[in-house]
Amino acid sequence: DTGVSQNPRHKITKRGQNVTFRCDPISEHNRLYWYRQTLGQGPEFLTYFQNEAQLEKSRLLSDRFSAERPKGSFSTLEIQRTEQGDSAMYLCASSLAGEGEQYFGPGTRLTVT
Amino acid sequence: AQTVTQSQPEMSVQEAETVTLSCTYDTSESDYYLFWYKQPPSRQMILVIRQEAYKQQNATENRFSVNFQKAAKSFSLKISDSQLGDAAMYFCAPGSQGNLIFGKGTKLSVKP
Repeated sequence: DTGVSQNPRHKITKRGQNVTFRCDPISEHNRLYWYRQTLGQGPEFLTYFQNEAQLEKSRLLSDRFSAERPKGSFSTLEIQRTEQGDSAMYLCASSLAGEGEQYFGPGTRLTVT
Repeated sequence: AQTVTQSQPEMSVQEAETVTLSCTYDTSESDYYLFWYKQPPSRQMILVIRQEAYKQQNATENRFSVNFQKAAKSFSLKISDSQLGDAAMYFCAPGSQGNLIFGKGTKLSVKP
């Protein structure tokens, strides 16, 4: 088991551009979570999936943020029309439904210039 | 809404000594978990220890143990025999099915 992987690890983009991040969970995990972590803060929950169903998305920061998990395996997080305030680390985690602990990936660091 | 307070932004401990990190939380959930995660500099979040809220017995994992006081909504982490590799940000995170709520973290330094 290789753990949760995220790509890319770093992304630099210009304000106004769209970006997409990918997360591959631990293979047998059916839940997948996205968090955002800004400097000096703990992770902030954004959304999560059970299999392909997005069960909570009210915490997505704005309508510029969207996430998908079309086949219940990997997930993508897209940010449209990026703003400088979107600069942060975006973390993905996975778990088994019914098991509380989540296992985190290394994150994607986004810098918006 | 759930809130988490870690009142110690920074802590320092001598190698081989014991340190306790504090966490208080507020939740309306009746069934939940509590976790401590460790985040070394520029490295990914690692689960340290978990506690189910319905269990009265405090969790222990090698040198790490918790003091869980459900009525007081307190969940502290004790690290015994501290090692240089314990230096990291430590986050307290209660949660029910679906998401974890993280505190702002405590930065732990370990002095040789």
